[in-house]
Amino acid sequence: NAGVTQTPKFQVLKTGQSMTLQCAQDMNHEYMSWYRQDPGMGLRLIHYSVGAGITDQGEVPNGYNVSRSTTEDFPLRLLSAAPSQTSVYFCASSYKAEAFFGQGTRLTVV
Amino acid sequence: RKEVEQDPGPFNVPEGATVAFNCTYSNSASQSFFWYRQDCRKEPKLLMSVYSSGNEDGRFTAQLNRASQYISLLIRDSKLSDSATYLCVVRSYGQNFVFGPGTRLSVLP
Repeated sequence: NAGVTQTPKFQVLKTGQSMTLQCAQDMNHEYMSWYRQDPGMGLRLIHYSVGAGITDQGEVPNGYNVSRSTTEDFPLRLLSAAPSQTSVYFCASSYKAEAFFGQGTRLTVV
Repeated sequence: RKEVEQDPGPFNVPEGATVAFNCTYSNSASQSFFWYRQDCRKEPKLLMSVYSSGNEDGRFTAQLNRASQYISLLIRDSKLSDSATYLCVVRSYGQNFVFGPGTRLSVLP
C-alpha cells in the first residue's frame, strides 16, 4: 500500500528559484491538502482541494500555487522561493474521516 | 484565540507513569476529532479517533466533551516508545482539519 507519496524528500533551493513538490495518493480520496510545519507553529494549511478541478486557499497560501487535474495528484508549486519558505511540507489526503500524510519534504531556501 | 489549543508541554515522565493530555477547540461545528502522534522529523500518524462516548485502545483512552469543547488523551503505563509529540485535531463536516500545536512527551527510563 503506497498511500500518500511525496517527492522529493529533501531539497535545497536558491532564493528566486521555482520548484514543484509532488504529491500522489492511491486511495481515491477526494480531499487533498498541503501543510507546512515550522518549529513552534504547528501544521498550517497552505492549499486544499475537495476534488479534481477544485482548489482553494488555506491559512498561508502566499507564494504557492496548486492544481488538481486528477484525483491522484496534487502538486504544490513555489513560484519564487524565499528564505521564509524554509520549512517541512506535508501533503495529506482524506475521505470522510482521518487524514493520511505523506512522509514530508524538507525544503531549505538559501 | 487559536482554534485548537493544547497543553504546552513538554511532559517528562518516568516509564510506567500515567499521563494525560488536554485539548480545547473553539468551533462548535466541529464534528470529527482525532489524536495524532508525530515522531521527530516524521509525518503525523493517526493514534486514534475520538468518539462522543469515549474510546479505548489498549493503554490509550480518549474522551470528548462536546458541551465543554474539550478532548483528552490518557496514556497508562507509559513506555519509552511513547515518546513523541501528540497532536489534537478537529474537523468540521467535509471541511479542513485544524491541528493543535502539539504536546511533546518524553518517557524517561
